[in-house]
Amino acid sequence: DTAVSQTPKYLVTQMGNDKSIKCEQNLGHDTMYWYKQDSKKFLKIMFSYNNKELIINETVPNRFSPKSPDKAHLNLHINSLELGDSAVYFCASSQAVHTQYFGPGTRLTVL
Amino acid sequence: QQQVKQSPQSLIVQKGGISIINCAYENTAFDYFPWYQQFPGKGPALLIAIRPDVSEKKEGRFTISFNKSAKQFSLHIMDSQPGDSATYFCAARAGYSSASKIIFGSGTRLSIRP
Repeated sequence: DTAVSQTPKYLVTQMGNDKSIKCEQNLGHDTMYWYKQDSKKFLKIMFSYNNKELIINETVPNRFSPKSPDKAHLNLHINSLELGDSAVYFCASSQAVHTQYFGPGTRLTVL
Repeated sequence: QQQVKQSPQSLIVQKGGISIINCAYENTAFDYFPWYQQFPGKGPALLIAIRPDVSEKKEGRFTISFNKSAKQFSLHIMDSQPGDSATYFCAARAGYSSASKIIFGSGTRLSIRP
């Protein structure tokens, strides 16, 4: 059973398009996160939700909009995609501040 | 601003050798220091973690050494195996609220030669 799953695994799209990445966790955790890993492997948090409430919102362009329909799901919608958005996006979850469990990642390529 | 500095960027170690990865931090509010292991095509996974009230933590072949006065900590992998080849990230977090962020180092790509 996959603990944290993401879809799609790969996403190739043109500049200017809008796309979404979905994340689901079956661990019963109350906190979920989105991270961005750039081409140099640098990993940085973008957003965090606790019980469907946004609690961390880093300096991210407002083209990025997270949505948490329930505690088990956290989706990421990106408008007007730019070349610089190309990266691997990881979803993660934790129970409060305990260990974060990461999903397998979504590799986004913007052409 | 890089709050957690990690070195080296890449490391090659012979099978059976000791792999050592170093990290340094400035923010004295950090009170939790995890290490994550990431295999190609996978998400990072927690490997081992330490709090600043202890100087060393060992789990199997993996040991964290922590020097609070120097604001440095390191990961030692004893008897390194080819299966240990991965990217390793040190990290740090301040506080225990839901708003506490984990700050990651820049990563070390470790290759173990058979």
